[in-house]
Amino acid sequence: KNEVEQSPQNLTAQEGEFITINCSYSVGISALHWLQQHPGGGIVSLFMLSSGKKKHGRLIATINIQEKHSSLHITASHPRDSAVYICAVSNSGGSNYKLTFGKGTLLTVNP
Amino acid sequence: DTAVSQTPKYLVTQMGNDKSIKCEQNLGHDTMYWYKQDSKKFLKIMFSYNNKELIINETVPNRFSPKSPDKAHLNLHINSLELGDSAVYFCASSRGHQPQHFGDGTRLSIL
Repeated sequence: KNEVEQSPQNLTAQEGEFITINCSYSVGISALHWLQQHPGGGIVSLFMLSSGKKKHGRLIATINIQEKHSSLHITASHPRDSAVYICAVSNSGGSNYKLTFGKGTLLTVNP
Repeated sequence: DTAVSQTPKYLVTQMGNDKSIKCEQNLGHDTMYWYKQDSKKFLKIMFSYNNKELIINETVPNRFSPKSPDKAHLNLHINSLELGDSAVYFCASSRGHQPQHFGDGTRLSIL
């Protein structure tokens, strides 16, 4: 079993819909990351959070440390949001900052 | 003004050859990473360097040898390439435990 599990694996939505992607992890962490990978391949860090909630534009990320669960929400989705969204966790033991990744959620937003 | 740059972007070569991928970051970060993304798009840490010192080596075959001549560069040399080495390799950097910045990836194809 992967240390980081995401659901759903694939998600298709209509433009304007509210989208939620979930992430559960089974290890101790110091932070959880949400990343976006567009079809062209580049990876961008969206959020890094260790508690509570963060918002950036139409994107919202939440984390519940006790339940070891995080969600990424996209409000008023748009076709340009189509991408793979990847959840990852990090542990700051010493100078070991490696990321352990989920398998990603492929989001397709249709116009 | 690219923050993390990898070269080459594409690398096509024969099995058994030796090849290198270069990575440079101009962000002043102290930690650099190599990740491998397999055909199922799953990302996995390979190496991490902090201030030119190897911190993480995640059970990568010793045909893979990272080299960090200075804090801004982390190159990856691969000996005796095998079919299973075909993947996209991403370089990333961070300032300690801050969000990581990724390069655009190098797509390695072994014939």
